[in-house]
Parts: sequence; C-alpha cells; structure tokens
Amino acid sequence: LAKTTQPISMDSYEGQEVNITCSHNNIATNDYITWYQQFPSQGPRFIIQGYKTKVTNEVASLFIPADRKSSTLSLPRVSLSDTAVYYCLVGASTDKLIFGTGTRLQVFP
Amino acid sequence: ETGVTQTPRHLVMGMTNKKSLKCEQHLGHNAMYWYKQSAKKPLELMFVYSLEERVENNSVPSRFSPECPNSSHLFLHLHTLQPEDSALYLCASSQGSAGQETQYFGPGTRLLVL
Repeated sequence: LAKTTQPISMDSYEGQEVNITCSHNNIATNDYITWYQQFPSQGPRFIIQGYKTKVTNEVASLFIPADRKSSTLSLPRVSLSDTAVYYCLVGASTDKLIFGTGTRLQVFP
Repeated sequence: ETGVTQTPRHLVMGMTNKKSLKCEQHLGHNAMYWYKQSAKKPLELMFVYSLEERVENNSVPSRFSPECPNSSHLFLHLHTLQPEDSALYLCASSQGSAGQETQYFGPGTRLLVL
C-alpha cells in the first residue's frame, strides 16, 4: 500500500490560491490519487481524483507529474469556509484506501 | 446532505452497556464501510461490506460487531467497550469497492465510553 506524506498544517488568507502537495513515492501502476476534505465533526467529502497530468473540477485542480510520485491539490481563491483538513489518498481500490493525518488548512480573513 | 445518515449522532455508554450504531444510505450503493476517528488520529478503516458480504476486517476487537442485513443498512453493535473506544464513528458508502469509487460519508456518531 502506497504511503502518503503531507504537510501537517498550512495557513492562508482569503482570496489566495492554496497548493497542498502530497508525496507518494511508492505509488503503484494501478493506483489513483484521491483528495478528501473534512470539516470538524463531519465525515470527509470527496474533492477530486486523478491518475496522471491535470484534473480540474468546479472546486479544485489536481496536478500530477509524469513520475506520479507526488501530487498537488490547488484551491483557487480560498475563503474562510475552506478551513478544513485535506487528505491525500493513494490506492487501486476503495476498500484499501488509507487516510493519513491530512493537512490542516487555516484560512484567515 | 450526502445521502448517508447515521443514528444516533451522539452516544454515551458505560463499559458494561450494549448499544448499536445505525447507518443507512439512500444512494443505491453496493459497498458500505465503518471507520473510527479518534482525536488527532487518522481515520481507521474498521469494516468493509460489498454486496452484503464482509470483505475487510482490519483486526478490529471483537467487542465491535458489524451487521449488514441489506445493501442499504449497516449496523455496528457495541458491547463491553473501553474508554479508549471513545471516538467519532463514521459510516460511508460507495458504488463498489474494488475500484476507485468515491466514498460518501455520513455525519458520524460521536461515542463517549465512561
């Protein structure tokens, strides 16, 4: 199972772009990269998923270099409501995903 | 609302009590999960059910007993718990479990064991 490493915490201000990088040096060929967001006392919520290159949706973008040993979640123009814990998960099947400690993002006014 | 509901939302129980947590998903999914989230710790996957069959049991103590009577309902039966079992218990569902399916989480049950 691929292990992931993320920064423990990050601070930002409203309106800024936030980039959270996740390292997964042992990613396997069949593994996808998935990001979840979790607010206090709530369950995680899916943000974005990708396999290679770049994926964009209405919430975020996910950048994956060619070697796939890392990935970067990009949140454009964050607001106070983006304050949460962000998890990077790597795996080939949902029943074997491992949530790490995540990155606690704090957005200030 | 994610389409996954959990009851109760809060539960306080003594170590000799027996209680059950309930999860229901309204998404037509075939896989359901129980996770435990202790304070300042990562989510720990406890059990996975796919098409009502248990497919994963990550060495969870026997004082936790899951039950999946159908694809929409999942229970976690609790008995003789310990104070260290106090945590947020999260239920999730996904279309399947063998691929990279999106998991939809419920709001969780906050459990306190005295």
